[in-house]
Amino acid sequence: DGGITQSPKYLFRKEGQNVTLSCEQNLNHDAMYWYRQDPGQGLRLIYYSQIVNDFQKGDIAEGYSVSREKKESFPLTVTSAQKNPTAFYLCASSGEAGSNQPQHFGDGTRLSIL
Amino acid sequence: AQSVSQHNHHVILSEAASLELGCNYSYGGTVNLFWYVQYPGQHLQLLLKYFSGDPLVKGIKGFEAEFIKSKFSFNLRKPSVQWSDTAEYFCAVRGGGFKTIFGAGTRLFVKA
Repeated sequence: DGGITQSPKYLFRKEGQNVTLSCEQNLNHDAMYWYRQDPGQGLRLIYYSQIVNDFQKGDIAEGYSVSREKKESFPLTVTSAQKNPTAFYLCASSGEAGSNQPQHFGDGTRLSIL
Repeated sequence: AQSVSQHNHHVILSEAASLELGCNYSYGGTVNLFWYVQYPGQHLQLLLKYFSGDPLVKGIKGFEAEFIKSKFSFNLRKPSVQWSDTAEYFCAVRGGGFKTIFGAGTRLFVKA
């Protein structure tokens, strides 16, 4: 079945450590997104990518980095500069520009600080 | 800049009651509008979407939404809710390109 796979499901980070969250899709979608979900704040956009080797900052990009070397993959790194990383992280993808397609979401990764 | 505002953070209804969840957005150009739902323990899924044409759109499970351009609104409605509608509902707006912004969400609890 086509879909989005996020791993791991749960992740723990030590102070000062960088961690990378994986997101893979087999939907042949051009666009991929990372959101952070906190209670009462909905989904806030961290980064998005419209095409391979290109990405843009969302509303809360500070302390995060991404890469888009392959169409299928859009990993998110939570750096030590992100002072409040505990959250639920959602990856999404959508079809080509102009297709007006909705986003498909993964099951999320819950990141906690040790 | 795009923004989305959902008026109610928590809604409690009894079964068979009518539902209306408010959503207002801020964006000057053409928009695509979405409502997503997240049931307990499940991932986000699309309820309905508006791109163009008839401003009243129907989605899954008896939900509908009306796009009122003059009010920058896209309110979600259901005439009679069921216990299984207990979930969190998110309004989302896509302006130019791919950037999609979500509201803060509304948690709906339906009492059996």
